[in-house]
Amino acid sequence: AQKVTQAQTEISVVEKEDVTLDCVYETRDTTYYLFWYKQPPSGELVFLIRRNSFDEQNEISGRYSWNFQKSTSSFNFTITASQVVDSAVYFCALSEAPAASGGSYIPTFGRGTSLIVHP
Amino acid sequence: DGGITQSPKYLFRKEGQNVTLSCEQNLNHDAMYWYRQDPGQGLRLIYYSQIVNDFQKGDIAEGYSVSREKKESFPLTVTSAQKNPTAFYLCASSIARAAFFGQGTRLTVV
Repeated sequence: AQKVTQAQTEISVVEKEDVTLDCVYETRDTTYYLFWYKQPPSGELVFLIRRNSFDEQNEISGRYSWNFQKSTSSFNFTITASQVVDSAVYFCALSEAPAASGGSYIPTFGRGTSLIVHP
Repeated sequence: DGGITQSPKYLFRKEGQNVTLSCEQNLNHDAMYWYRQDPGQGLRLIYYSQIVNDFQKGDIAEGYSVSREKKESFPLTVTSAQKNPTAFYLCASSIARAAFFGQGTRLTVV
């Protein structure tokens, strides 16, 4: 069974600080996908990134970067020089390959980390 | 614009009533999902559908029902059998292994 753990319930930082959100996952599959979503106060989940299990390259997108390490089953997310607009709940998610051909990848979500960035 | 539209944004239900939450997508995605979000519990899967006229129960399907008569639409009915329906409901559709979400419906029992 797949499982995602986000141990940090809430993180509070001051603007311009760097912050890392942790995500640890469990799966028995060799083929899976990992995701990060942002949920601002409006409620909609905004897709940030998808990473497949065969691609361990770290990725950088502007102030955002992701560190995928299969050896520790972690997919951590770092925001550099945080801004007030980064305040949101961030979810990490995992999709395993479906049991049957043609089946769906069903995302399983962690409980989320609430990031508060103070001016 | 392409996207996923959920309506209404806020919904109030009296105890014992059934209510239906709408989810429409014009992204031509085959798979659609309903999740429930409660404070501190993340998202839990209620139902999902891979194709028209097919749907499967998720982890917390009791007290809910769905239909998938059209590719674009995946409505969720919260029945009176759902004992604790107050929550935030999110609909999603997916392609290329990534799920994309609507803006959610906040349901409150009064």
